[in-house]
Amino acid sequence: DAGITQSPRHKVTETGTPVTLRCHQTENHRYMYWYRQDPGHGLRLIHYSYGVKDTDKGEVSDGYSVSRSKTEDFLLTLESATSSQTSVYFCAISATASYGYTFGSGTRLTVV
Amino acid sequence: EDQVTQSPEALRLQEGESSSLNCSYTVSGLRGLFWYRQDPGKGPEFLFTLYSAGEEKEKERLKATLTKKESFLHITAPKPEDSATYLCAAGGYNTDKLIFGTGTRLQVFP
Repeated sequence: DAGITQSPRHKVTETGTPVTLRCHQTENHRYMYWYRQDPGHGLRLIHYSYGVKDTDKGEVSDGYSVSRSKTEDFLLTLESATSSQTSVYFCAISATASYGYTFGSGTRLTVV
Repeated sequence: EDQVTQSPEALRLQEGESSSLNCSYTVSGLRGLFWYRQDPGKGPEFLFTLYSAGEEKEKERLKATLTKKESFLHITAPKPEDSATYLCAAGGYNTDKLIFGTGTRLQVFP
């Protein structure tokens, strides 16, 4: 996707290990979001950022932390991965809260 | 509590058979209603934003409309390449966040 990249694309990790997912943008957008997508639940917001070092929780933030030290990078950390965190994770960016989001290609995370 | 509900969950159409997808929303002070298309294994792709009741937007075979309680995505004479999951999302003025529906999975057969 133009202007936004997620890494890694796929990851398998063991229960109890920390995991960090990266979202990188080249659009200089103010807003960045982390969602998880699960069958039957749709997209659920984990955390979002409205500026460098400005973040807030979403509806499913337990077990996750984020950091944004630069405009272009937004990191999602699973502090101690559990099987319930097996999911597809999407990052999204937006210039303002009223514009449509641009989504990344996603990271498929499997916790075994 | 803000909520977005989409129906039907799945829709199968013959090529050329027009239909509509529904998105009902409960949001305090609607800031915007958004439609996205998602293909398997990919991230959602932005289609439309609607800001006020009565507004309509079109793109090829798709037309989105908005009332005070719901939005419709009308698909006219669909083609197999229109097969995808269509997501809607709503945001209110009191938040920077969007609430997503669970989507409608559309399959168009030749």
